Amino acid sequence: DAGITQSPRYKITETGRQVTLMCHQTWSHSYMFWYRQDLGHGLRLIYYSAAADITDKGEVPDGYVVSRSKTENFPLTLESATRSQTSVYFCASSETLAGADTQYFGPGTRLTVL
Amino acid sequence: GDSVTQMEGPVTLSEEAFLTINCTYTATGYPSLFWYVQYPGEGLQLLLKATKADDKGSNKGFEATYRKETTSFHLEKGSVQVSDSAVYFCALGANTGNQFYFGTGTSLTVIP
Repeated sequence: DAGITQSPRYKITETGRQVTLMCHQTWSHSYMFWYRQDLGHGLRLIYYSAAADITDKGEVPDGYVVSRSKTENFPLTLESATRSQTSVYFCASSETLAGADTQYFGPGTRLTVL
Repeated sequence: GDSVTQMEGPVTLSEEAFLTINCTYTATGYPSLFWYVQYPGEGLQLLLKATKADDKGSNKGFEATYRKETTSFHLEKGSVQVSDSAVYFCALGANTGNQFYFGTGTSLTVIP
C-alpha cells in the first residue's frame, strides 16, 4: 500500500542498548523527517533529510544517528538508549521544502527505555 | 527564533458547541501556518493550511485565518461533533531552511 510506514510500532529496550527505528515511504518524496512527541513539548524535530545521502540536524539531535542511502528509507538509530529517550517517534515526508509544504506522517513508534 | 504558542487543554465541549483553539506565532519573514490533527493511536494529518497573510484555510468545517497584524492563526468550528475528538497542533513552516515548529497540542473531547 502507498504511504509512509514505521516499524516496529512498539519497542521496549534497556538503557545502553542500540535501537533502530525504521521508516519507509512509497511516494518518492525528497524530504523526510524524524520527530519525537513528548507531553508538554509537542513534536520536536530530531533530524531531517533533503535527499539520499543528505541529512541535517534538527532541534534535538543528541543521542541519535540517521542515514539515508535510499530515497524511500530513513532509519533512526539510538546508539546507546537512555531513559530520557522514552517517547513516541514519528517519521514524516514531504515532496518539497518543509516550510510551505504538507508533511505526511507515519503512525508512530512508541519506544520505552527501561 | 521562530515558535508557536497554542492554548493549553484539555478542552471539553458538548456536541454542536462552537470551538476556538488559539494559536499565535513568532517568526521572521513570512512563514506558512498549519493545523494538524492527531486522532487516537494515529500519526498527525494535515487539517488545513495558509501560506500568506489574510489567507483562510478550511477543511471539514474547520477554518483558520492567517492574521499577520495579530500574529495569530486561531482554529474555529461552528458545530463540533463527537468524531472531532482529537489532539490539534498548530504549526509553523519557516520560509527559509527546512525548519518546522509545532505547538504543544490541544486535546479536544466532544461529549454527546
